[in-house]
Amino acid sequence: DQQVKQNSPSLSVQEGRISILNCDYTNSMFDYFLWYKKYPAEGPTFLISISSIKDKNEDGRFTVFLNKSAKHLSLHIVPSQPGDSAVYFCAASARNRDDKIIFGKGTRLHILP
Amino acid sequence: DGGITQSPKYLFRKEGQNVTLSCEQNLNHDAMYWYRQDPGQGLRLIYYSQIVNDFQKGDIAEGYSVSREKKESFPLTVTSAQKNPTAFYLCASSDLVRGRVYEQYFGPGTRLTVT
Repeated sequence: DQQVKQNSPSLSVQEGRISILNCDYTNSMFDYFLWYKKYPAEGPTFLISISSIKDKNEDGRFTVFLNKSAKHLSLHIVPSQPGDSAVYFCAASARNRDDKIIFGKGTRLHILP
Repeated sequence: DGGITQSPKYLFRKEGQNVTLSCEQNLNHDAMYWYRQDPGQGLRLIYYSQIVNDFQKGDIAEGYSVSREKKESFPLTVTSAQKNPTAFYLCASSDLVRGRVYEQYFGPGTRLTVT
């Protein structure tokens, strides 16, 4: 039973264009959402997060949008750069219940020259 | 420099042997976690600990054991009972603010191969 779903295993985007990575969740108790970026053979690094009281959070080229009614969030990267090629994990937590973070399976982003 | 260290980066063992993966953090974080990643899979939680001398099972704890004798250390033992031990193992830590977890910080990982 996957509580956090990333339905696109991979995505290819031209350098300079916008990359949009999508994530759906099923647990309405989730109140905090995170995106992590991971290069091969390395640990994930935290990218950006959003609390359920917001619908948008922006940090430089990265913006996360949250649509609670649709149980959907997305990560926008603009403009996309070669160093953005990595696997992106969406994650969620129900902080008022326990301290676990549930990760999606990840989306591999390829930035094309 | 604060961070999380995992050693070694690559580990090879024969089937039937127990093996212990180390994880050390100097971030003064209360909580520590162990995950495993398999190809095409997300990160799956093995064990986590919020305080010294206490830990909880995650979603796939069978065949694994942990200890938390010091705040900065959270070693994971992969026992011979773990049916598919070959994987990439990640350790993480996080602050607990008012009892709530925020971002987790990950180590570089250990790739364990059992033959």
